[in-house]
Amino acid sequence: GAVVSQHPSWVICKSGTSVKIECRSLDFQATTMFWYRQFPKQSLMLMATSNEGSKATYEQGVEKDKFLINHASLTLSTLTVTSAHPEDSSFYICSARRAGNQPQHFGDGTRLSIL
Amino acid sequence: GEDVEQSLFLSVREGDSSVINCTYTDSSSTYLYWYKQEPGAGLQLLTYIFSNMDMKQDQRLTVLLNKKDKHLSLRIADTQTGDSAIYFCAESGGGSQGNLIFGKGTKLSVKP
Repeated sequence: GAVVSQHPSWVICKSGTSVKIECRSLDFQATTMFWYRQFPKQSLMLMATSNEGSKATYEQGVEKDKFLINHASLTLSTLTVTSAHPEDSSFYICSARRAGNQPQHFGDGTRLSIL
Repeated sequence: GEDVEQSLFLSVREGDSSVINCTYTDSSSTYLYWYKQEPGAGLQLLTYIFSNMDMKQDQRLTVLLNKKDKHLSLRIADTQTGDSAIYFCAESGGGSQGNLIFGKGTKLSVKP
């Protein structure tokens, strides 16, 4: 298999709080991990791509100081939403991919609600 | 730029076949994918096809690729109520990181 675990699955917190989301590949080494954001009834929007040991590559319009990504090992990447505000409320999904041109495998997503 | 288009809704009766269609623009895509998303969940990889293939079958799923027309379809045989979900077509983008370009998703509703 190719299992990706994402934690937590649901977060509700007050405005101004920083929230960390973890993405783990459980049974394979993920050279590359991706972070997506999905608005209700819409497709996935790629936020950033991270390779283990390197700085993440952010898509245009995504604030790197707002969405901090760390990919410290071949099985773990984290997304920290710093000083979250209500407009950051969304469904965040990570995916992981082995080396080479392999399919991406997705986590179950994190629903973030900022009050 | 790269773009993936698919119809937004499809409704079928239980036991019928479902066909979800997708068109894409990047002729250099190496792989094309179908993902399934159930409510409140992440994406589940259903199947994928290499760009030099015309067809791939996996149990109830059949993928057809017309590379000339840049058209991809997913056929689900004997559709069940558990197949109700949103199905995303995706192509591997041309970037060096191999990021995916997703369509907006087709919501499949299966009626008993």
